[in-house]
Amino acid sequence: GQNIDQPTEMTATEGAIVQINCTYQTSGFNGLFWYQQHAGEAPTFLSYNVLDGLEEKGRFSSFLSRSKGYSYLLLKELQMKDSASYLCASPTSNSGYALNFGKGTSLLVTP
Amino acid sequence: DSGVTQTPKHLITATGQRVTLRCSPRSGDLSVYWYQQSLDQGLQFLIQYYNGEERAKGNILERFSAQQFPDLHSELNLSSLELGDSALYFCASSASPGGLNTEAFFGQGTRLTVV
Repeated sequence: GQNIDQPTEMTATEGAIVQINCTYQTSGFNGLFWYQQHAGEAPTFLSYNVLDGLEEKGRFSSFLSRSKGYSYLLLKELQMKDSASYLCASPTSNSGYALNFGKGTSLLVTP
Repeated sequence: DSGVTQTPKHLITATGQRVTLRCSPRSGDLSVYWYQQSLDQGLQFLIQYYNGEERAKGNILERFSAQQFPDLHSELNLSSLELGDSALYFCASSASPGGLNTEAFFGQGTRLTVV
């Protein structure tokens, strides 16, 4: 299988920067997705990386290192509405290349 | 709004019963995925259909089954329900079968409570 690991919880202050890490097994790699999910709502797409490096999209950036099996999501200028779960996911051969999700990192933004 | 529609939004049923969850994918999407999300397990992939055919199976119990119809909507059937089946069930859709750069769009989910 392709284990995806990320921290369970993080807390950060409004206006600050936070980095959420994700590690995955590198065999059969088909790209790395980040989704945001507010409690009880649908996951929504944030970013996709398939090549090494940093992809920037406004306040959110995502980084990938394929050789290290490592990605992070960087959130800048945190806002209260960023309090949510952030899910790292990758299509894996053992799921027919459907997205295989990590358990998610619950981010709490405090005033 | 992702364009993926799931019904019903909420369902409460008793142990031992059978329920059917319905999903309409985004217009033009041929792939439908079903996921189960419980508090302690995160999003677990159950099954995928592509253009009417089963494409991949994940951690789906034998008591559960799914199908995709010619109009591409899909149904997930859960039978002999147990208390542990209480969860959020999400449907997602994508244009391609999966793999590289295949973004999946999620519906709002069906919250199933088994009592």
